[in-house]
Amino acid sequence: EAGVTQFPSHSVIEKGQTVTLRCDPISGHDNLYWYRRVMGKEIKFLLHFVKESKQDESGMPNNRFLAERTGGTYSTLKVQPAELEDSGVYFCASSQDLRGEAFFGQGTRLTVV
Amino acid sequence: EDQVTQSPEALRLQEGESSSLNCSYTVSGLRGLFWYRQDPGKGPEFLFTLYSAGEEKEKERLKATLTKKESFLHITAPKPEDSATYLCAFSPGRETSGSRLTFGEGTQLTVNP
Repeated sequence: EAGVTQFPSHSVIEKGQTVTLRCDPISGHDNLYWYRRVMGKEIKFLLHFVKESKQDESGMPNNRFLAERTGGTYSTLKVQPAELEDSGVYFCASSQDLRGEAFFGQGTRLTVV
Repeated sequence: EDQVTQSPEALRLQEGESSSLNCSYTVSGLRGLFWYRQDPGKGPEFLFTLYSAGEEKEKERLKATLTKKESFLHITAPKPEDSATYLCAFSPGRETSGSRLTFGEGTQLTVNP
């Protein structure tokens, strides 16, 4: 069974540019989450999809971040325009139900210069 | 405010030297307490979920326990391949919180041969 897949694995962009991260969850997992770890800090929740609907987006830092999950399959997280403080590792996770464990992808390391 | 604190921040053990990692949490209602292992450059890898005080789970050299205020990850006779960052996270039981995870900063474990 394929795990959660994220790409790109690394991205270096200039301040003000746009970047789109993609996540392919485990097949059949309705729940999809985005998390972020900035340097020296703990992993923090960004948002949660149930199928194509945003269940909880309370962790999104500001309106420069836009997440979508069209069709309830893969998800994208767009940062536009990127700022220096957006640098970090962005993780995607998926789970079959709300009570069970979430499985994480390998992350996308975003560096804004 | 929901909070999770892990200690120690870093731990060095000799191969075969057993020890425990601590995860203290403050949350109004706990849906689940999760332990993850993270290797450098990888995403968190699920280890255990604990749901109620008194519950214990084991996997190879690892055993996780849960009380009303904290969880322990006991490592018995560790090997160098157990070296990793161990993350504790909880899912609050409030409906408004969904199933998002709140993470601690992790304990970086190094096991020397």
